[in-house]
Amino acid sequence: NAGVTQTPKFRVLKTGQSMTLLCAQDMNHEYMYWYRQDPGMGLRLIHYSVGEGTTAKGEVPDGYNVSRLKKQNFLLGLESAAPSQTSVYFCASSYTARDRLTYEQYFGPGTRLTVT
Amino acid sequence: DAKTTQPTSMDCAEGRAANLPCNHSTISGNEYVYWYRQIHSQGPQYIIHGLKNNETNEMASLIITEDRKSSTLILPHATLRDTAVYYCIVSVRAGGTSYGKLTFGQGTILTVHP
Repeated sequence: NAGVTQTPKFRVLKTGQSMTLLCAQDMNHEYMYWYRQDPGMGLRLIHYSVGEGTTAKGEVPDGYNVSRLKKQNFLLGLESAAPSQTSVYFCASSYTARDRLTYEQYFGPGTRLTVT
Repeated sequence: DAKTTQPTSMDCAEGRAANLPCNHSTISGNEYVYWYRQIHSQGPQYIIHGLKNNETNEMASLIITEDRKSSTLILPHATLRDTAVYYCIVSVRAGGTSYGKLTFGQGTILTVHP
């Protein structure tokens, strides 16, 4: 049981390049989330998903797109990276109603992205 | 979501209890109090949550005042590995029409000293 994993761990992009961050969870959770954390700040929600095939905007969605084609995966895309997107990105998952109710969010280790 | 207020930083001696306060005077009746912590550079880690009763698990205890306007997270025997940023968050529970939104503030930096 690996929990929540994120790929890659580190990445450096040039302005205008695109990339996709992958989040995977093996806990059969319904909900998944993408956050960003800037230095000295708390986490801010970018997008979230309440189930396979569904996505919704969070607090800071501009410049990002997401997809949840499979229940266990949640992808975060940057189509044209900007220096303001330099941050640490965390994925999280939560909530399964079938075997036991879990309300807490489980977080991945993060992806450190630098845009130059 | 209700806003929370926490001290910016606190110190604690190793082996002693760490008591971290949180004010949430505008909490709604269906909102829970959650505590997470973030050890340097790692993803946040869930600690405990409660609605109105005191709660205890293997990591910590949560004391919620009767009027629910404040709470205290207690780490009974703090260790050096408990040095982290602790976030107090109030939120409705995930499920139904709620996606379990967590709003992270600045948190409390807890430093445990030898």
